[in-house]
Amino acid sequence: AQKITQTQPGMFVQEKEAVTLDCTYDTSDQSYGLFWYKQPSSGEMIFLIYQGSYDEQNATEGRYSLNFQKARKSANLVISASQLGDSAMYFCAMRESRSGSARQLTFGSGTQLTVLP
Amino acid sequence: ETGVTQTPRHLVMGMTNKKSLKCEQHLGHNAMYWYKQSAKKPLELMFVYNFKEQTENNSVPSRFSPECPNSSHLFLHLHTLQPEDSALYLCASSQFQTVEQYFGPGTRLTVT
Repeated sequence: AQKITQTQPGMFVQEKEAVTLDCTYDTSDQSYGLFWYKQPSSGEMIFLIYQGSYDEQNATEGRYSLNFQKARKSANLVISASQLGDSAMYFCAMRESRSGSARQLTFGSGTQLTVLP
Repeated sequence: ETGVTQTPRHLVMGMTNKKSLKCEQHLGHNAMYWYKQSAKKPLELMFVYNFKEQTENNSVPSRFSPECPNSSHLFLHLHTLQPEDSALYLCASSQFQTVEQYFGPGTRLTVT
């Protein structure tokens, strides 16, 4: 079974509108972290936002917010006031707790977001 | 230089060639990673180094050989690759106990 599922291969949004990118995850760990990364066409993966499994508040970073619903195992990314520069591939990732190891990330298949002028 | 750098950015090689990918991080981190990103597939973790010691090898074929001479440098030595090895190879680094990994721009590898 996939640990990270992103069901939207592609999304379109009008400039200045908000968009939600879906992510569901599967883990039996109690302690885990959820991440969103942005990958422009240049290839570099850019860290956007992080949510810890014990965090009670939804994470926010500027125009990015993470809608964390623990019981549903979902961690959707909300981008408000979309800009043309937001057009990119977006990846959801999870870090499960492991002792004695560097923190590894498991990535979803990504969502290609296109912002329309 | 800042962040994580990777060279070369693009590489075309034949199946009998030997080449190396280089990654350097200027962030003072102590963990480094190699990922493979193929078309239409999720990012795949290949290797993890923590304080220069390899801690993870995710069943990567021996034609990929990593080397980590110090905490700032990571290499991926390539030999007798196959066309299906064509992909974007991303390097990342992190501080062991912190949450996020910082990625380089990647090397786009084409095996002919």
